[in-house]
Amino acid sequence: DGGITQSPKYLFRKEGQNVTLSCEQNLNHDAMYWYRQDPGQGLRLIYYSQIVNDFQKGDIAEGYSVSREKKESFPLTVTSAQKNPTAFYLCASSRTSGRIDTQYFGPGTRLTVL
Amino acid sequence: QQPVQSPQAVILREGEDAVINCSSSKALYSVHWYRQKHGEAPVFLMILLKGGEQKGHEKISASFNEKKQQSSLYLTASQLSYSGTYFCGTGTGRRALTFGSGTRLQVQP
Repeated sequence: DGGITQSPKYLFRKEGQNVTLSCEQNLNHDAMYWYRQDPGQGLRLIYYSQIVNDFQKGDIAEGYSVSREKKESFPLTVTSAQKNPTAFYLCASSRTSGRIDTQYFGPGTRLTVL
Repeated sequence: QQPVQSPQAVILREGEDAVINCSSSKALYSVHWYRQKHGEAPVFLMILLKGGEQKGHEKISASFNEKKQQSSLYLTASQLSYSGTYFCGTGTGRRALTFGSGTRLQVQP
């Protein structure tokens, strides 16, 4: 079955540590996205990538980094520079860049800073 | 600029209808509607494209007023399974969607 997988489902981090969230898709989609969701809030765009080896900052990129070395993979690193990283992180993909193409979401990773 | 959704929350009885609105300050190419259950990923419901083409769900309909930069989602004869948070995502000049803060819908028996 085609889809988007994210791992781990739950992640606990100590202050000052970097952590990497995994996102993999087998939909053959060109575009991939990372969103952050805080309790009771909407989705805020962190980074997006339209094609391999290219990515753009979203609205809240500070304290995060990404790479896009393979079409199917778009990992997100939450660095120690991110002051308040506890949130629900959602990865999405679309056939092409998302202005008119449907975005499909993975199941999410819930990150908690201890 | 984040689109504005209204109402923020609504409670319905089974069988009642609801309308959720999404308004943007920017010119829109598309509006995408999603429903999210607590702790789960958003699930795609419908997309409305500039020019009137609409793709989506049988029991849920929507409108898109390009001039007013607004969209409305219509839920008719609501079922318990309709409960969740509804988000609109707007496609503008940027090649990524911008999402509203959501409308929490609760359908009671």
